[in-house]
Amino acid sequence: GNSVTQMEGPVTLSEEAFLTINCTYTATGYPSLFWYVQYPGEGLQLLLKATKADDKGSNKGFEATYRKETTSFHLEKGSVQVSDSAVYFCALSGNGGSNYKLTFGKGTLLTVNP
Amino acid sequence: EAGVAQSPRYKIIEKRQSVAFWCNPISGHATLYWYQQILGQGPKLLIQFQNNGVVDDSQLPKDRFSAERLKGVDSTLKIQPAKLEDSAVYLCASSPPAGGPGEQYFGPGTRLTVT
Repeated sequence: GNSVTQMEGPVTLSEEAFLTINCTYTATGYPSLFWYVQYPGEGLQLLLKATKADDKGSNKGFEATYRKETTSFHLEKGSVQVSDSAVYFCALSGNGGSNYKLTFGKGTLLTVNP
Repeated sequence: EAGVAQSPRYKIIEKRQSVAFWCNPISGHATLYWYQQILGQGPKLLIQFQNNGVVDDSQLPKDRFSAERLKGVDSTLKIQPAKLEDSAVYLCASSPPAGGPGEQYFGPGTRLTVT
């Protein structure tokens, strides 16, 4: 079955530091890949996505590239802000009909200090 | 546009009691999902509805969990009887008829504590 493995947290960084959160996946076929974010006290929100190999998803300064050869979708940001403190989830889904259900990783808590 | 609504936001019950959660998806969204998020883990799909029909309930513990979406709009998830390991946040999500991969909109969740 499908599964997602992401970097264990928590991750603590200083403002303006570089962020990488690793994510690898196991799936049949050609899944779509996502990063979701959960800010304190809020619901899950889609941060970015990539639907085919070599696609790069980007949003709010975050980016991730769909690497089929390494089955990876690492999240990066060049300069984090205090407001980026949140839990980040890597996820995948199939590419059609009922296969749009999401399989999530365990989440990585990011804390950014001023 | 109003988001996905869930109630209650918090619930504390004793083991062996029953509990029900309610979800109102975004207007016009045909697909509705219920996820269980145990502390320290990612959300796990319990059940997926397309309109008022069940598409996937393979991970729903059917001996104690049930869900319905009678008119293809609101949905209710019930646990009867609850166990300690059911303590989790229950998330409802919906997606539009022509939504693509990952286009799911999540509600704030209901935090259940079973004592």
